[in-house]
Amino acid sequence: GAGVSQSPSNKVTEKGKDVELRCDPISGHTALYWYRQSLGQGLEFLIYFQGNSAPDKSGLPSDRFSAERTGGSVSTLTIQRTQQEDSAVYLCASSFGVGGTYEQYFGPGTRLTVT
Amino acid sequence: KQEVTQIPAALSVPEGENLVLNCSFTDSAIYNLQWFRQDPGKGLTSLLLIQSSQREQTSGRLNASLDKSSGRSTLYIAASQPGDSATYLCAVPNYGQNFVFGPGTRLSVLP
Repeated sequence: GAGVSQSPSNKVTEKGKDVELRCDPISGHTALYWYRQSLGQGLEFLIYFQGNSAPDKSGLPSDRFSAERTGGSVSTLTIQRTQQEDSAVYLCASSFGVGGTYEQYFGPGTRLTVT
Repeated sequence: KQEVTQIPAALSVPEGENLVLNCSFTDSAIYNLQWFRQDPGKGLTSLLLIQSSQREQTSGRLNASLDKSSGRSTLYIAASQPGDSATYLCAVPNYGQNFVFGPGTRLSVLP
């Protein structure tokens, strides 16, 4: 079946604008994760969903970041009033369930550039 | 908080060599450990998932071992090929919820 998809693949935006990043997980996967990878840095956990609920939002860098998931499927990560330090690749992953027993499958990422 | 390190940070080898990548984690109470590869500008591809009850897992030329008590995992790549060039990352669960990734080992296999 289809893997995890993300859109757009690339996004260039001006500082101060809002952006929305979309993730379509693998069908049937109840868990969904968002990560950020800055240039030359490791993966930074942002938020995860179990169904439509986000039990752990501790990784979100600031209150400009928010995420939602609807219908237990598609998720949207929104960044308001973007800053240059938000430039990074945003990766989404899904798994059959939450927790360390399940394998994660990653999408190709969205490369965000804030000018 | 779980912390993950990987050694070496970068590795360059001639084609055909066998090589070992290392991953260390601080909290040994993990359910599993997952190895990924990441090609430049791409997402992550899962290579191997080792459950905590397993000591090793094999897929083709790849073999991953897990020693929970010492907080270590190794990824062994046999007969390396130029197509193996990528960044290799290991990841472990952070108290059973999200995952913590190591910084990666950047591998170059020279033809």
